[in-house]
This record gives sequence, C-alpha cells and structure tokens, in this order.
Amino acid sequence: NAGVTQTPKFQVLKTGQSMTLQCAQDMNHEYMSWYRQDPGMGLRLIHYSVGAGITDQGEVPNGYNVSRSTTEDFPLRLLSAAPSQTSVYFCASRRLGVNEQFFGPGTRLTVL
Amino acid sequence: GIQVEQSPPDLILQEGANSTLRCNFSDSVNNLQWFHQNPWGQLINLFYIPSGTKQNGRLSATTVATERYSLLYISSSQTTDSGVYFCAVERAGGTSYGKLTFGQGTILTVHP
Repeated sequence: NAGVTQTPKFQVLKTGQSMTLQCAQDMNHEYMSWYRQDPGMGLRLIHYSVGAGITDQGEVPNGYNVSRSTTEDFPLRLLSAAPSQTSVYFCASRRLGVNEQFFGPGTRLTVL
Repeated sequence: GIQVEQSPPDLILQEGANSTLRCNFSDSVNNLQWFHQNPWGQLINLFYIPSGTKQNGRLSATTVATERYSLLYISSSQTTDSGVYFCAVERAGGTSYGKLTFGQGTILTVHP
C-alpha cells in the first residue's frame, strides 16, 4: 500500500490564483481530513469527510472547499489564494471504528 | 474545545541521554497519538495510546486517561531523534469524531 499520498509537494501561487491540492489513499479508509500547519504551531483541522458525498467543516475552513466523490480521493480547493494561506497542508485518513489516523507527506504552499 | 499542552517546549540533549515529554489534555479522550515530525516535515506515527503503556524500541509511552496526561519516554537518544514531537487527541463524544487537536509540540535537538 502507498498509504496516504499528496500532490504536489511544493507550490507557489500569486494572490488570487486558484488551485487544488490532491490527496489519495489506498487503504479503503472511510474518514479523510485536511489540516494546515503554520510555523511553530501544531496542526489545525480544515475540513473532513466521513465517506463519499459527506463533508463537514473543521476549525479553520474559511477560504477552502472540499468534495468527496470517491472513497479514495479528497481534494482541497483554494478558490482565491491569499498570503494568509501560506502553510504546510497535511491530509489524513482513518478507518471508521479504528481511531488511529495516518498522515500524508504534506504540501508546502506559498502564496505571494 | 479541548486544550492540549505539551512540555517542555524545547529540549536539548547530548546523544545517549534519556528524556521525558509530557502532554496534558483538558477533557476525556478516545484517541491519543504521538507523532514525530522529522526535519523534512514528515509526520511519523509513534504511538496510538488512548490509555495504558506501549513500547517500541527505545521509545515508550504511557497515558493515564483518568488524570488526563500522557508521557513519551526516549531512552539513549540519537541525533536522528531530533525534530518536533506532537501529541494529538480526539475528544470523546460524537461531535468530535475524527477531529484531532494537536499540542504546540516539543522541539527536541540531540547533539552528537
């Protein structure tokens, strides 16, 4: 199993541009989520999904959209990037009924 | 929401020394994980330990759920142990399902 994969690894955007961060898992995990990590801080939850077609907001959802059309994929969309969205983004997944979560390698995003 | 406090914030060791990292949390939890974030930014699962004691090589962890704290022990530290150690918890209760709250982390530096 590849586990949780994320693309791209690095991205630089200009203010106002849009982009999608990709996340995929091959473990058939129902639950997937997105976190952001700012310098010197722990991770904070952006959005999460308990299954295909079901998404909900986390602690810091503003400026981000998500959708879950398949069990495997959970993309994160920035519609109009802002410098405040400069961060490292992590995707995570877990199996329902099993509490342990597994994280992807992260995407480092810089918004100029 | 649930509060997670880690101590110490920074720790500097000589290779071979032992250390104890602490995580206090403010509410009942059904998930507690320890992660190591290496210098390349990867989050590595160390322990899933909502209660009890586990050991993995030179690392061990103990969670006393009734007193709302967890300890991570590192023995005979090596330079490769350097990085940031995070504690993350999921508050018990249906509305917090899958939502991990991270502490601020302990920055560990091990000198040769």
